[in-house]
Amino acid sequence: AQSVTQLDSHVSVSEGTPVLLRCNYSSSYSPSLFWYVQHPNKGLQLLLKYTSAATLVKGINGFEAEFKKSETSFHLTKPSAHMSDAAEYFCVVSERNTPLVFGKGTRLSVIA
Amino acid sequence: KAGVTQTPRYLIKTRGQQVTLSCSPISGHRSVSWYQQTPGQGLQFLFEYFSETQRNKGNFPGRFSGRQFSNSRSEMNVSTLELGDSALYLCASSLWDPENEQFFGPGTRLTVL
Repeated sequence: AQSVTQLDSHVSVSEGTPVLLRCNYSSSYSPSLFWYVQHPNKGLQLLLKYTSAATLVKGINGFEAEFKKSETSFHLTKPSAHMSDAAEYFCVVSERNTPLVFGKGTRLSVIA
Repeated sequence: KAGVTQTPRYLIKTRGQQVTLSCSPISGHRSVSWYQQTPGQGLQFLFEYFSETQRNKGNFPGRFSGRQFSNSRSEMNVSTLELGDSALYLCASSLWDPENEQFFGPGTRLTVL
């Protein structure tokens, strides 16, 4: 069965500095991987998705993630944090015809 | 295009009662999934419906049930409520398969007293 581990429960960065949110996954097959973001009192929104095409995936709002099979990682990055990026981020793994499996989430704080 | 809507947004119930939550997916979406979100357990999958059939089910007791109607709208029901059922219940819809992009509703906040 697939699983996902988000290595940090909370990350704090200064505005304008890079963001790195770490995610490791476990899957028996070629998985699909996602990053979702949840702003306070709002539903989840898809940031980006990997489905075995390019290993570097670009998403919305300047975020991107790199799929590294050898390291079973799918870390999320952004070159320069903005105050509006403060939210909860979820790494998600899926195998065909099985439900999505969510990580525990990483809360990103952005300091002015 | 209207997004996923969930009603009600907030509910307060007492132990032993039952509750029904409703979800209207994006027009044209046929897959509807339900999740429970709590601070301790995070986001946990409840079930997924496609064309009125339950296609996948998570590891929850039988008190949790759901259904999907011919117009793809979905309901979930929790009977004999327990304090631990207090959570944010999220509904998500996708065209065919949750592996496609899922669009989430704002959730229903259930408090059990």
